[in-house]
Amino acid sequence: EIVLTQSPGTLSLSPGERATLSCRASQTLDSDFLAWYQHKPGQTPRLLIYGAFRRATGIPDRVSGSGSGTDFTLTISRLEPEDFAVYYCQQFHTPPHTFGQGTKVEIK
Amino acid sequence: EVQLVQSGAEVKKPGESLRISCKASGYSFTAYWINWVRQMPGKGLEWMGRIVPGDPYSDYSPSFQGHVTISADKSITTAYLQWSSLEASDTAMYYCVRRGAFAGLDYWGRGTLLTVSS
Repeated sequence: EIVLTQSPGTLSLSPGERATLSCRASQTLDSDFLAWYQHKPGQTPRLLIYGAFRRATGIPDRVSGSGSGTDFTLTISRLEPEDFAVYYCQQFHTPPHTFGQGTKVEIK
Repeated sequence: EVQLVQSGAEVKKPGESLRISCKASGYSFTAYWINWVRQMPGKGLEWMGRIVPGDPYSDYSPSFQGHVTISADKSITTAYLQWSSLEASDTAMYYCVRRGAFAGLDYWGRGTLLTVSS
């Protein structure tokens, strides 16, 4: 089973700041098979990024994904109030299609 | 419009059986994997397993293998998640989710909240 480790656990930032979230895999992934999601309390999760860097429909360009191999990054260039949430990475390289444990982005 | 409409919240006792449903519409049901994802109270997302409705091949995370069964009825475009014997630790929100044409879960049901308590 591929383990995804996200860091940090919590990121305390102010609106307008840059958020950098990390997702490290226990083995090399094909970049086509790494996705990121946003989850807000009381809502359903939302797909942000697939294929490591491809934005899903309707996702603003301040949200970007990068990385390859075992190290992947989600960057939000300028935090808006609606960006404060929990973020998860997920791999589809090998079943089971595991999620990371999540990074909470909170208002400082 | 793609929609995944899940059955309502359930309150059950340990040892009881249950089947929850996920009615799909707005797309070709047999062409996309349906996945089930668990979120326990205060915890993160966990991938449980998936099914190809047109096949119906299914596979499971080892953490859930043997405890749940995923199935689908393509005649009514509905997927199911079922338990034969519930445990208190099954208390959680369960989401059915479509995997898109690429590697990402693009459409999510609103979730079914399951509470298992004696």
